[in-house]
Amino acid sequence: GAGVSQSPSNKVTEKGKDVELRCDPISGHTALYWYRQSLGQGLEFLIYFQGNSAPDKSGLPSDRFSAERTGGSVSTLTIQRTQQEDSAVYLCASSLEVGEQYFGPGTRLTVT
Amino acid sequence: QKEVEQNSGPLSVPEGAIASLNCTYSDRVSQSFFWYRQYSGKSPELIMSIYSNGDKEDGRFTAQLNKASQYVSLLIRDSQPSDSATYLCAASYNFNKFYFGSGTKLNVKP
Repeated sequence: GAGVSQSPSNKVTEKGKDVELRCDPISGHTALYWYRQSLGQGLEFLIYFQGNSAPDKSGLPSDRFSAERTGGSVSTLTIQRTQQEDSAVYLCASSLEVGEQYFGPGTRLTVT
Repeated sequence: QKEVEQNSGPLSVPEGAIASLNCTYSDRVSQSFFWYRQYSGKSPELIMSIYSNGDKEDGRFTAQLNKASQYVSLLIRDSQPSDSATYLCAASYNFNKFYFGSGTKLNVKP
């Protein structure tokens, strides 16, 4: 079956511009997670959605970062006024209400 | 203190040997545990999950959980060069948030 998909796969943007990253979770998965991974580093938790509950935004590094999930499915991560330190791979994962996470291929963001 | 800690490695083992990867965790995340494999430039892929004390085997992989000592390990038997990757340990309390270690790089030499 179809896995988690993310778009775009690569994004190059100029410092100060806004970017939107998209995630399509596995059909039927109620939980959706966003992570950030810098080169050679581990995964940094950003935000978590579970069903209709309020999202856990505790990992968002600044108020320039926001995310929404429409209709309990697709999610968009928005970074406003991008900075060079935002350059990283942004990974989305989904899971059933309780269970293992499955990751998408990621979006590589480069801020020049 | 980080919730989940791993030795960054690299861990080098000869082909056919047993690779042993270890992970320690803090109390706050002591419920569910996961091992992921991540090839360079790729996203993490799930290998195994373990929720109860003891061993869980799946093919060449065995996960071991010891809640009293707060560690979880992954054994890879008959290691192959294709097992060379970074292995990420993750822990979760109540499946609401997952804490990942920084990963251990494994090199399996032919």
